Amino acid sequence: GENVEQHPSTLSVQEGDSAVIKCTYSDSASNYFPWYKQELGKRPQLIIDIRSNVGEKKDQRIAVTLNKTAKHFSLHITETQPEDSAVYFCAADLRGSNYKLTFGKGTLLTVNP
Amino acid sequence: SAVISQKPSRDICQRGTSLTIQCQVDSQVTMMFWYRQQPGQSLTLIATANQGSEATYESGFVIDKFPISRPNLTFSTLTVSNMSPEDSSIYLCSVLGGGFRTDTQYFGPGTRLTVL
Repeated sequence: GENVEQHPSTLSVQEGDSAVIKCTYSDSASNYFPWYKQELGKRPQLIIDIRSNVGEKKDQRIAVTLNKTAKHFSLHITETQPEDSAVYFCAADLRGSNYKLTFGKGTLLTVNP
Repeated sequence: SAVISQKPSRDICQRGTSLTIQCQVDSQVTMMFWYRQQPGQSLTLIATANQGSEATYESGFVIDKFPISRPNLTFSTLTVSNMSPEDSSIYLCSVLGGGFRTDTQYFGPGTRLTVL
């Protein structure tokens, strides 16, 4: 089945620095790649997503890049702030379903003031 | 914007018993899903809740253990049957469509289940 690997598992940065989280996926049929942010005790919240017909998407301080040939996609957060501290999950749609998601194991991002 | 709620928000249960979790949306949605998130772990899709028909289960999950109902476009239930401590997890429903974007999933607040 679909496998999504996410690295690193933990990431600590200084406020104002950039953070990059990388994911690879195995199913070449996947064409939808969302990123979720989960604060402690809260539900996962969608922060950005990208589809396979696009190589990059940006929303203020957050950007996602996709390399479909290499089957990897990355989340970039610039000018990090303490409130960016959370667990971030990447995901890919199962078997190109566009909606059934397989999640990576998550990255605990800590932004130090 | 549309609201997703789950009941109960948390519960502590004895092994061998069953618990039914409810997911309610305040608008009609296209699709509903159930996920499990074990402590400190990622999310795993259990099944797609189909309106008016049997749920579609992912590998490793079976109807006898996790029966699901979806009687209409705004409501679904997940039952965790014959529970064991290994079932201790957060169970989340998610939805597509309705008052949300139709092309991505939004999650309910989750039900934290502890099995003793």
